[in-house]
Amino acid sequence: GAGVSQSPRYKVAKRGQDVALRCDPISGHVSLFWYQQALGQGPEFLTYFQNEAQLDKSGLPSDRFFAERPEGSVSTLKIQRTQQEDSAVYLCASSHPTSRGGNYEQYFGPGTRLTVT
Amino acid sequence: AQKITQTQPGMFVQEKEAVTLDCTYDTSDPSYGLFWYKQPSSGEMIFLIYQGSYDQQNATEGRYSLNFQKARKSANLVISASQLGDSAMYFCAMREGHTGTASKLTFGTGTRLQVTL
Repeated sequence: GAGVSQSPRYKVAKRGQDVALRCDPISGHVSLFWYQQALGQGPEFLTYFQNEAQLDKSGLPSDRFFAERPEGSVSTLKIQRTQQEDSAVYLCASSHPTSRGGNYEQYFGPGTRLTVT
Repeated sequence: AQKITQTQPGMFVQEKEAVTLDCTYDTSDPSYGLFWYKQPSSGEMIFLIYQGSYDQQNATEGRYSLNFQKARKSANLVISASQLGDSAMYFCAMREGHTGTASKLTFGTGTRLQVTL
């Protein structure tokens, strides 16, 4: 596949349920990012992996949010005991040194729209 | 203080005309990168153009150019010869830190561009 893929595209969860969101980055991309985009807002950073190492998780809003990338490729964002304020689009992006000066542009997936009822 | 400010919630432009989308940024880091992304209604963020803080010339990519005014801390996107397919949300984003590394992006709130006949 050429791009970043995410699944599911849509998820409806009842408050209190756990959810797992999957991201398949572009093959060979070592850097992977998760962002949360609330309605009408720009994406906000959640966490960052380089290969399997989680180098920055400063954006995770609470300890109910957990992300992993055990083999350095596919990543999963897990939200435990979902709450209504977790409703948003969750975007995954991957990045790699480019041949154009290493600007590390991030390539985004289509996102998972999570609705908590 | 907002790190990325986009003051135009919505813009209209006639087909084949040029349009400028405003972006100002705030950072004390001497090394940073500025990005513009397009987000159509499908939700995927599409990378458009990049400007590094040390780049001497304004970036250009096809019909997109970035008007980089470092002293004013502005990085406006210029779209020439607008097309109906340019109708979308446009986000300005910044990466702080050394331009040779991957790191999180901070996004503005976006500008919705509508191209009319």
